[in-house]
Amino acid sequence: SQTIHQWPATLVQPVGSPLSLECTVEGTSNPNLYWYRQAAGRGLQLLFYSVGIGQISSEVPQNLSASRPQDRQFILSSKKLLLSDSGFYLCAWSEGSWLFGPGTRLTVL
Amino acid sequence: RKEVEQDPGPFNVPEGATVAFNCTYSNSASQSFFWYRQDCRKEPKLLMSVYSSGNEDGRFTAQLNRASQYISLLIRDSKLSDSATYLCVVNGRGGADGLTFGKGTHLIIQP
Repeated sequence: SQTIHQWPATLVQPVGSPLSLECTVEGTSNPNLYWYRQAAGRGLQLLFYSVGIGQISSEVPQNLSASRPQDRQFILSSKKLLLSDSGFYLCAWSEGSWLFGPGTRLTVL
Repeated sequence: RKEVEQDPGPFNVPEGATVAFNCTYSNSASQSFFWYRQDCRKEPKLLMSVYSSGNEDGRFTAQLNRASQYISLLIRDSKLSDSATYLCVVNGRGGADGLTFGKGTHLIIQP
């Protein structure tokens, strides 16, 4: 069966610090992978998606970037965090059906 | 107009009651429709897909009205464990593009 791992589970970072969130998928190959963010009082917003290694599509202009160095690895990064980057970050996998990872709760202070 | 709209609630409902949520979507070309459940501080989990003919899964019934671009979820004989946020989700563009989520409807089942 397919599983998605995300780490860290929670993170508190100061404004201006860098960020790296990691997502790995097991039990599938060449999945479509997605990064979503859920900010307080808002719905889930699609940030990036990837259909393969090195292929990244960005949905909204923002302070974040994504990379896919391996087939089952998807990384979300920032060089300098903003207060508005706080939120619940979810990695998702799609291959017909959808599966979400457990999420990373990021607080930027 | 927002892509997927839901009443945020909260809906406070006594245990055993029937409750219905509605959702509207703006993209008439949307292809797939879902209800997800999200517990506090957890990831969303698929509750059920929504089909044009309507579908039922135990106490849960989902309906889709493509002409009105309207989706509904009915929960019968509600349980305390049904307390959660229910997200209306649309896959509007097909292919590799992602899902579009409503902000969710918060349901509280009271004993």
